[in-house]
Amino acid sequence: AQSVTQLDSQVPVFEEAPVELRCNYSSSVSVYLFWYVQYPNQGLQLLLKYLSGSTLVKGINGFEAEFNKSQTSFHLRKPSVHISDTAEYFCAVSDPVSGTYKYIFGTGTRLKVLA
Amino acid sequence: ETGVTQSPTHLIKTRGQQVTLRCSSQSGHNTVSWYQQALGQGPQFIFQYYREEENGRGNFPPRFSGLQFPNYSSELNVNALELDDSALYLCASSLEAGGGYEQYFGPGTRLTVT
Repeated sequence: AQSVTQLDSQVPVFEEAPVELRCNYSSSVSVYLFWYVQYPNQGLQLLLKYLSGSTLVKGINGFEAEFNKSQTSFHLRKPSVHISDTAEYFCAVSDPVSGTYKYIFGTGTRLKVLA
Repeated sequence: ETGVTQSPTHLIKTRGQQVTLRCSSQSGHNTVSWYQQALGQGPQFIFQYYREEENGRGNFPPRFSGLQFPNYSSELNVNALELDDSALYLCASSLEAGGGYEQYFGPGTRLTVT
């Protein structure tokens, strides 16, 4: 069964510094990959997704992610963070084999941007 | 275009009671998925409904059940509530059930079981 690992539960970073949030998934078969952001007391908002094609995916709010099939990773990056980026970030994988295309989420990474 | 809405926003129930949560899918979407997000955890897939039929289920007991209506809105029912059922319940809709279709999430219903 698919699984998603987000190695860092919390990432503190100073404003305007770059950040990388790590995500690894368990299988090398075809998958769809997503990054979502969750602000306090809100639902999930899609940042970006990888379905196929270019391994570098650009999303909203200046975020991007790189799909690495050999390392089964999909790390999220932003070159310069803002205070408003403070939130919980979830990596998710969708398994096209299952037929339901359910999302399997990691446990999340809390990004704390410091002034 | 109206996004995914959920009701109620919050509710408190007593152990052993039953609860019904509601979700209105985004206009034009025929697929609804439900997730449970415990405190400090990522969302866990409960089940998905596609065109009024269950289209997959996660590792949840039968006391978690659902419905999808002809307008594609959906309900999640939980019987015999347990303390561990306390969580944020998220509903997500998508255009189709096929792979790659983005799931749009509602704001969630926070359920507290005492």
